[in-house]
Amino acid sequence: ETGVTQTPRHLVMGMTNKKSLKCEQHLGHNAMYWYKQSAKKPLELMFVYNFKEQTENNSVPSRFSPECPNSSHLFLHLHTLQPEDSALYLCASSQEIGVQYFGPGTRLLVL
Amino acid sequence: AQSVTQLGSHVSVSEGALVLLRCNYSSSVPPYLFWYVQYPNQGLQLLLKYTSAATLVKGINGFEAEFKKSETSFHLTKPSAHMSDAAEYFCAVSDARGAQKLVFGQGTRLTINP
Repeated sequence: ETGVTQTPRHLVMGMTNKKSLKCEQHLGHNAMYWYKQSAKKPLELMFVYNFKEQTENNSVPSRFSPECPNSSHLFLHLHTLQPEDSALYLCASSQEIGVQYFGPGTRLLVL
Repeated sequence: AQSVTQLGSHVSVSEGALVLLRCNYSSSVPPYLFWYVQYPNQGLQLLLKYTSAATLVKGINGFEAEFKKSETSFHLTKPSAHMSDAAEYFCAVSDARGAQKLVFGQGTRLTINP
């Protein structure tokens, strides 16, 4: 596979569940990102990893827990989410300032 | 702090007409500016970028944008709209000093009428 892949593409979970989103990039990039995209709101940057080190946490609630085991993989662990956390979660990778390659996203619904 | 403002959350044009999507930025340092496009059920894709070279930047699919420092603008244009241009368009700004963050505008949904 090429580019940035995300699994699962769709996820429905209850507020007491624990689930994980996975992102994989096949581009050899050093930086990876998690974004949240909600209807009628700007794209929200959640986390930035650079060479596996977290360099940005944009005041994200602790019920979202990122993990970056290597430069190619990024996870977002979810637990005790709220209905307002329902959104499209996008992963991206980058090697050049401002040029980011996005995955197709995971559409999350919290019931 | 850097920010971008996209004027108009929804723009509708006829097929073959000029497309103009507006973006104004705010930055305390020389900015890098970008336009991204998002088609339904997909992630964002880079259309074009300005990184302090030529002020008129050409991108993919016939789009171009002009950096105007005096107006703090980076509007996106296409001379003739095609049905396949229907999508959401995002303007973004980055810190030219090297930060890898992008700050996105709220997006403009472009609809093409046959």
